[in-house]
Amino acid sequence: LAKTTQPISMDSYEGQEVNITCSHNNIATNDYITWYQQFPSQGPRFIIQGYKTKVTNEVASLFIPADRKSSTLSLPRVSLSDTAVYYCLVGDMGPGGGADGLTFGKGTHLIIQP
Amino acid sequence: DAGVTQSPTHLIKTRGQQVTLRCSPKSGHDTVSWYQQALGQGPQFIFQYYEEEERQRGNFPDRFSGHQFPNYSSELNVNALLLGDSALYLCASSPRLAGSYEQYFGPGTRLTVT
Repeated sequence: LAKTTQPISMDSYEGQEVNITCSHNNIATNDYITWYQQFPSQGPRFIIQGYKTKVTNEVASLFIPADRKSSTLSLPRVSLSDTAVYYCLVGDMGPGGGADGLTFGKGTHLIIQP
Repeated sequence: DAGVTQSPTHLIKTRGQQVTLRCSPKSGHDTVSWYQQALGQGPQFIFQYYEEEERQRGNFPDRFSGHQFPNYSSELNVNALLLGDSALYLCASSPRLAGSYEQYFGPGTRLTVT
C-alpha cells in the first residue's frame, strides 16, 4: 500500500472551509484514495473515495490532481461537530477491494473553534 | 437497521488472562475485520474473516485469534494478555461480493490490561 503523509493537526473556525492535504508519492495505478473520519470513542466512518479529478458528496469534496501524488479533502463551512481525526488511505480499495484490511496512519486531528 | 454492534463496551483484565470480544456485523454483511487502536494512533488491522475462515492477517502474534459463526458474527480472542494489549478494539463489516468500497465500524471495545 502507498505510504501517506498528512498534517498531524489543524485548527479552524466555524463557518470556514477546511482543506486537508495528503501526500502519496508512490500511489499505484490500481489505488484509490479514501478518507475516513473518527470521533473520540467511536469507530472510523467512511467519508469519500476517489480515483482522479474531483468527487463530491453531501459531506465533502475530494480533489485529486492529474499526477495523483496528492489529494485534498475539502470540508465546506465546518461546525464544531466536525472536530475529529481524519485519515487518508491509499490502496486498491475501489469497488470490490474495499473489503480488505485497511491501513491507517495517524491521521489529522482537526479542531474547530467557535 | 442496526449497524455494527460490539460487546462488551469496556473490559478490565489482568496480565496473563485471556479475553473474548464479540461483534455482530451490519445486516447483509458477510465479512468481518478486527482492528486494534492504541491511544493516539490509527487503527491497526488484526485479521479478517469471511465464510468462517481467516482470510487476511495483519502483523499480530498468534496470541490473537478469532472465529466467525454461520450468522456472520465474530469473536476476537486474545491469550496471555500483556499491558501493551490495552487499546480500543474495533470491528468492521462489509459485503464482500457486493463490490464494497467501504467498511462499517462498530463503536469498539475498550480493553484495559492491568
